Formats: sequence, C-alpha cells, structure tokens
Amino acid sequence: AQSVAQPEDQVNVAEGNPLTVKCTYSVSGNPYLFWYVQYPNRGLQFLLKYITGDNLVKGSYGFEAEFNKSQTSFHLKKPSALVSDSALYFCAVRDKNYGGATNKLIFGTGTLLAVQP
Amino acid sequence: GAGVSQTPSNKVTEKGKYVELRCDPISGHTALYWYRQSLGQGPEFLIYFQGTGAADDSGLPNDRFFAVRPEGSVSTLKIQRTERGDSAVYLCASSGGLAAYNEQFFGPGTRLTVL
Repeated sequence: AQSVAQPEDQVNVAEGNPLTVKCTYSVSGNPYLFWYVQYPNRGLQFLLKYITGDNLVKGSYGFEAEFNKSQTSFHLKKPSALVSDSALYFCAVRDKNYGGATNKLIFGTGTLLAVQP
Repeated sequence: GAGVSQTPSNKVTEKGKYVELRCDPISGHTALYWYRQSLGQGPEFLIYFQGTGAADDSGLPNDRFFAVRPEGSVSTLKIQRTERGDSAVYLCASSGGLAAYNEQFFGPGTRLTVL
C-alpha cells in the first residue's frame, strides 16, 4: 500500500532562519506528491505538487520542495521563515491501484511548524 | 463564492441520531471528495464522485455512512445511527477533473460531535 511518513510531530525554527519539514514516501512506481497547510479552524490549503520534471518544485508563499527519488523523500523548505508560517503541514501522495494513480489522497500525520519571533 | 463551502460548520448530535453534512464544490469542478480528520491525524479518504456517480467509496467505514451528489454539484454526506466514534472533522474537496495530478481544493470542514 502507498504511504507517506512525516517523522517529526513538531519543528521549531526562529523567524528569518531556513525551515525544512520532512516527508518520506512509499509508492510503487512514480509518485504524485503534494504538500498542504492547515491553519487553525480552516481547511487544508494546497501549497505545491510534484508530478514529473524538475526535482525542485516551487509553490505558494515562498515554499518549495525537493523530490529525491533515491531517498524517497519530498521535504518542504523555505529559505526564510515567517511567524505567519506557523501552522500544521501535511504531506500527501496519490494512491495507486492496478489501473494506475487514483484520485484518493493518502496523508501523513502532519507536522506542526512553530516559528518563533 | 470562489472556494469550497461546507455547512454546518459545527454539528452536535446525540448518539443514535441521523445527520447530514453538505458540501458545495467550486463551480465547474466535476470531481468531489469527502475525507474525515480525527484529532491529531491526517485526513482519511471516504468517498469521491465524478459527476453524479460515486467512483470510489472504499473509504466509507460501514453502511451507516452514505453520500449522494444527485445533480453533479452539491453533495451530502449522511450518517445514520451516529456513534461517539464518528466525532471528527469532515472535509470536502473538489478538483477540476479526474486526472490524478490535479490538486484538490478543500473546504473549511464540518466539526461533528456525537455526545
């Protein structure tokens, strides 16, 4: 079965410092990978996705993610963190069956990012 | 509105009661999804629709859960004989088509509490 893992429950970083939120995946074949952010009492907001092509994907709010096939990772990064980036971040992968990628997203357990001023 | 909307935002009910949760997708989006998010967990897939038909309902936990999308737009998730374990945030999402690389756009969710 396809899965993603977010090994850190929480990441703490000082404002202005670079941030990384980790995600690893287990998928047969080529993965379709996504990052979403969830602010308190709000729905999930799409940040970026990797489908194919360049391993470095740029998304919303200055975030980017690096797809690494050899390490089966898709870590989320930002060069300079803002206090307003504090939120819950979810990595997700498209599920697959015998017919290929499905429309079902499989989410990780989430990582709480806390940016201190 | 421009985004996915869900009503009600909060629903408190008693064990054994019936509830309906509504989702209005982004206009023109043909695919609609329901997920359930328990406290401290990521969303878990329940069902998705392409048009009016349920294309995959493999995530529905049991036959107390049912969803419809009669006109290919608004969807209703129905839960019969609610149990305390059904308490969660129910999220709806829509996307522009069936292509697996299309991102899904989520609504704010309905927080269901079963007493």
